[in-house]
Amino acid sequence: QVQLQESGPGLVKPSQTLSLTCTVSGGSISSGDYYWSWIRQPPGKGLEWIGYIYYSGSTYYNPSLKSRVTISVDTSKNQFSLKLSSVTAADTAVYYCASLAAVDAFDIWGQGTMVTVSS
Amino acid sequence: SSELTQDPAVSVALGQTVRITCQGDSLRSYYASWYQQKPGQAPVLVIYGKNNRPSGIPDRFSGSSSGNTASLTITGAQAEDEADYYCNSRDSSGNHPLFGGGTKLTVL
Repeated sequence: QVQLQESGPGLVKPSQTLSLTCTVSGGSISSGDYYWSWIRQPPGKGLEWIGYIYYSGSTYYNPSLKSRVTISVDTSKNQFSLKLSSVTAADTAVYYCASLAAVDAFDIWGQGTMVTVSS
Repeated sequence: SSELTQDPAVSVALGQTVRITCQGDSLRSYYASWYQQKPGQAPVLVIYGKNNRPSGIPDRFSGSSSGNTASLTITGAQAEDEADYYCNSRDSSGNHPLFGGGTKLTVL
């Protein structure tokens, strides 16, 4: 059973870059079964898809965030990562990693990690 | 439009049936998936595809679609079903996932 776990700083200063990593356990990130995704949820608000990556390195980003987002994969560590540049308070959110299955649904989610943007 | 619209809040009496809807142009072409989120927890997939439940999801949860509207139906709502529910599909171009704004379900 695949499990996902986010890690990274819980506090980022405005204008800096937010960096998070998702570790995949119980399966191989290179299996080709999933698009590995990042989704966020500001406090008290709904879910927003940020982007996803295939194990080959192909990436797809939310057009509203595309200029600031980079998602990468490290198959040797079974991890994928998110970088969001030039952050502001509006980027304060719980960040989830999730797997997008072939059935076009996010079937496995990490527990989420809260990131606060504040000086 | 590239939006999925949900009612912000819905309530249901214990044991009764409730339908949560999601509207959007892209639903004419793509299925919706549905997620249950309880406070402080990650979302959980409850329905995907035409009407499929992941392992462990009770059969009181079902999905359907007609035109530009997808629906999640809970038949015989239980107290533990009180949660936020989000629909998810594609934007109208089909290129990107999109979430609805969420519906808060209260079980009375």
